[in-house]
Amino acid sequence: GNSVTQMEGPVTLSEEAFLTINCTYTATGYPSLFWYVQYPGEGLQLLLKATKADDKGSNKGFEATYRKETTSFHLEKGSVQVSDSAVYFCALSDSNYQLIWGAGTKLIIKP
Amino acid sequence: GAGVSQSPSNKVTEKGKDVELRCDPISGHTALYWYRQRLGQGLEFLIYFQGNSAPDKSGLPSDRFSAERTGESVSTLTIQRTQQEDSAVYLCASSPAFKRGGANTGELFFGEGSRLTVL
Repeated sequence: GNSVTQMEGPVTLSEEAFLTINCTYTATGYPSLFWYVQYPGEGLQLLLKATKADDKGSNKGFEATYRKETTSFHLEKGSVQVSDSAVYFCALSDSNYQLIWGAGTKLIIKP
Repeated sequence: GAGVSQSPSNKVTEKGKDVELRCDPISGHTALYWYRQRLGQGLEFLIYFQGNSAPDKSGLPSDRFSAERTGESVSTLTIQRTQQEDSAVYLCASSPAFKRGGANTGELFFGEGSRLTVL
């Protein structure tokens, strides 16, 4: 079945460091891929998405590229800020209305 | 407000009691999802409502769990005879109409969740 695997956290970085959170998936067909973020005390919200191979989603300085050959959708940011501290979830949608979720990665940015 | 609203935000109950969780979706959103999130884990699908279609209940973990939705508005998730393993955050999300047969490229809008603790 479809599945999403993302790196375990917490990931702790200093401000202005480069961020990568790995996400790989297993799916039949051509799923859409998503990154959602959950800031402390807030609900989950969509951060970015990509709907086909080689698409790059981007938002708030974050980027992720849909790599079909490596079945990956790694989240990157060139220079993180304290305000980026949150839990990040990778997810995919199959041909149905379901989203398949990774376990989430907690990111801690220290000033 | 304009977002998804859930209540209560926190609920502590004793084992064996029934609980009811409420979700008020964004107006006009025909699709509504309930998820469960245990501590440190990902989201576990529970149930999906889409307009007047029969709900997808395939994720409900046992017959102690049930959910209802009135038209395209409020939904309630009921857990009967709660057990300690039911302790989790219950998340509700809504989205605009989903077109069957196509890949889901839509965005889900989440509430802040209801944290349930069963003693």
